[in-house]
Parts: sequence; C-alpha cells; structure tokens
Amino acid sequence: EPEVTQTPSHQVTQMGQEVILRCVPISNHLYFYWYRQILGQKVEFLVSFYNNEISEKSEIFDDQFSVERPDGSNFTLKIRSTKLEDSAMYFCASTGTGANVLTFGAGSRLTVL
Amino acid sequence: AQKVTQAQTEISVVEKEDVTLDCVYETRDTTYYLFWYKQPPSGELVFLIRRNSFDEQNEISGRYSWNFQKSTSSFNFTITASQVVDSAVYFCALSEANRRGYQKVTFGTGTKLQVIP
Repeated sequence: EPEVTQTPSHQVTQMGQEVILRCVPISNHLYFYWYRQILGQKVEFLVSFYNNEISEKSEIFDDQFSVERPDGSNFTLKIRSTKLEDSAMYFCASTGTGANVLTFGAGSRLTVL
Repeated sequence: AQKVTQAQTEISVVEKEDVTLDCVYETRDTTYYLFWYKQPPSGELVFLIRRNSFDEQNEISGRYSWNFQKSTSSFNFTITASQVVDSAVYFCALSEANRRGYQKVTFGTGTKLQVIP
C-alpha cells in the first residue's frame, strides 16, 4: 500500500537553529499538508499546499515556518529559528483529487533544547 | 468554524469489555466528513473510518462500530470485546467540504483508552 514517508523520525536541535523536516507524499497525490501535535495534545492543522502554493495556513504557521516542494517528490517544512515551543511531532499528509482521506506519515519528532 | 469535542479524556476497561468513545462536533456546513483515527503508543496516526454527512447509516467493521447521529451531532465509536492491542489514543475529526479540493481536518482532543488484561 502506498505510504507517506517522513525523515528524520526524530531530530534534536538547539533553540534558534533552523530545521528542515522532509516528506515524500504518495506519488499521484496533489495536495500536501503539515500537521503538528504537541506532546499529549491534539493534532493541529498547520498548512495545506497545492500547485506549488499554500492553499491555507493556520495561525500557528507564522513567518518562522515555510513549505516547499523543491522537486517532484519531496515536500519540506522549514522552521527558520526554532523555539522551545516548537517541540512537537510533525505529521506530513497528502490526498489525491476529490474527498479523499488524508494519508499521514509516521511523523517527525522535533525536540528543541 | 468547526469544532470537535471528545469529553472523555481517559477511559480504562478490562479486556473483553465493550467501550464507547464519544464524539460531538460543530459545523455550519451541510456537507462534511467525519473521521476516527487511532494513535498507538508508537505515535503514528492510523485511519479507521470516514463518513460523509449524507450517510447516516451505522457501520460495523469487525469489533468496531460507529453510530452517526446528525440530530445530536454525534459520531460515537464502540469497540466490542476490547483487547489489550486496542490501547491507544483515539481521535475524532471533522473536515468540511472544500471546493478547492484540499482537506482541512479539525481534530478532537483525543480519548486515551487503556485496556487492562
């Protein structure tokens, strides 16, 4: 079964450092997403991306965050200058056309020290 | 604005008991989708079910069943004869229909289910 893959599975970084989380969505999917889950809390929408531009972003997705699809397969989330409160699990997801179910990756756990 | 409420934070049951996880939602749309996801201790999100707002038929899949009631804006999930492997956090979620094609899913706060052997 096709799956969404995310790397790294866990990253530890110092506050103020830049972090890039990588995702390979399902190959024929067109819509890409990032969600965040702070430990023990609910999963929150960050951003959706289609046709090389952001479709919608949440209040969480401030100027420190950016997304990019640098080639035909990868979808990245960059946090420019990490803060302690960015520590969370970040989930990438993708969907095809129509009302499809989001397929989530296994997540990238980010720990900011 | 859409909202999903899972009032049960944690539930403990003894193996083989039945358990129902409650979910109440709010939306202004007439077309929307409801989901349940399972998050085991390993952390990934496992899709369980999707219902659209026009289909109020209850669904059964093995030991899992779902009761969708539009009149009360609820989408409850029952596990029959629970097993230790059912121990996880379960999230109810809602997505409104979007003409631009993307899915913005709003999750509830989750219910942590512990099944005791």
